[in-house]
Amino acid sequence: SQQGEEDPQALSIQEGENATMNCSYKTSINNLQWYRQNSGRGLVHLILIRSNEREKHSGRLRVTLDTSKKSSSLLITASRAADTASYFCATDDTDKLIFGTGTRLQVFP
Amino acid sequence: GAGVSQTPSNKVTEKGKYVELRCDPISGHTALYWYRQSLGQGPEFLIYFQGTGAADDSGLPNDRFFAVRPEGSVSTLKIQRTERGDSAVYLCASSLRGRNSGANVLTFGAGSRLTVL
Repeated sequence: SQQGEEDPQALSIQEGENATMNCSYKTSINNLQWYRQNSGRGLVHLILIRSNEREKHSGRLRVTLDTSKKSSSLLITASRAADTASYFCATDDTDKLIFGTGTRLQVFP
Repeated sequence: GAGVSQTPSNKVTEKGKYVELRCDPISGHTALYWYRQSLGQGPEFLIYFQGTGAADDSGLPNDRFFAVRPEGSVSTLKIQRTERGDSAVYLCASSLRGRNSGANVLTFGAGSRLTVL
């Protein structure tokens, strides 16, 4: 089963632009995480935001969480070609993570 | 080890054959997860181990799928009588998280790509 839905499914931007991805989920959560996946590789953890937090920053990443709307957004500022990847949100369900469908980001140099 | 290691990286088999996929988690990680990812989709949960026991196997699609972790470290995902629909990337992940404690950040392996002809 997949808990989250990412929007958009695909996003193409130029280097230097900002990229915003959104995630909606269905049930209550303790925290929400974002992961990145390069083509043909495993997922890499980017950032975690707890249910009592509204915004969190890490380098060029900014994550927001709105538990009333059951949604989160990931903003990548000043994007680089190396940011090209798929990005997934994940919510905790007891002891396991449930992943969304992902946003495929393409950054053109 | 330094990371989560999965073997084989690629496996091509014929319909009806038996397949084993191996996962070697990060040393000391008590929790181990198996996910399946089809093209263009997010990872789909299969099974989770806490130590040697399967704490949650609710994601296994049917009884052709089975996983073990006999010594609480290496895990093997076993698929019997493979079908073309089993073709996917099988991802393994591990974490330090104890049962029901703290945030659960997963470290993933590179995956095993299974193709059933």
